[in-house]
Amino acid sequence: QVQLVQSGAEVKKPGASVKVSCKASGYTFTNYYMHWVRQAPGQGLEWMGIINPSGGSTSYAQKFQGRVTMTRDTSTSTVYMELSSLRSEDTAVYYCARLDLLLATPDYWGQGTLVTVSS
Amino acid sequence: DIQMTQSPSAMSASVGDRVTITCRASQGISNYLAWFQQKPGKVPKRLIYAASSLQSGVPSRFSGSGSGTEFTLTISSLQPEDFATYYCLQHNSYPALTFGGGTKVEIK
Repeated sequence: QVQLVQSGAEVKKPGASVKVSCKASGYTFTNYYMHWVRQAPGQGLEWMGIINPSGGSTSYAQKFQGRVTMTRDTSTSTVYMELSSLRSEDTAVYYCARLDLLLATPDYWGQGTLVTVSS
Repeated sequence: DIQMTQSPSAMSASVGDRVTITCRASQGISNYLAWFQQKPGKVPKRLIYAASSLQSGVPSRFSGSGSGTEFTLTISSLQPEDFATYYCLQHNSYPALTFGGGTKVEIK
């Protein structure tokens, strides 16, 4: 069965960087793009970007351009999302979500990683 | 960028009520719209895709309609397990996605 298992919660200071991992299993890793979506406490869902695990190409939301980097390691079927220059407004749960190629929307989601930015 | 405006942002309803949630796109998106349900502490779950197609396993009391810029999600008879937050999602601007602001459905 498809599983996306994310890394554990993080606490970071303003100005620092955080790198969240998402390990995929149960399907051919390189056949499915992966989105990253975040959700601030009590707020809605916000799309951050997408990565093609096959070639590594990425597309980022304009809001995060220059601060976010998405990478992948095909040997471990893992995608990573690194966000730099953290500020308090980046406190959120970060999700990876697999792109359903047929329906062009996320189908499977990771469990979420809480990133807290606090001095 | 395409903006998605969802209304209402919150509502109170009783079990058995018919509930309608609206999502409006800032420009035409054909039928590239999905609806998701999210319960507290859980990941979003897809209910509807292509504006009106019911995801396998989702109860038939959920339905979606619309095309272009105006879309609706209807729950024909609200059940206790339906109290949650609902989000629309446009994917016309693939690979970029835009979520609506969400509608929290609470118990009256």
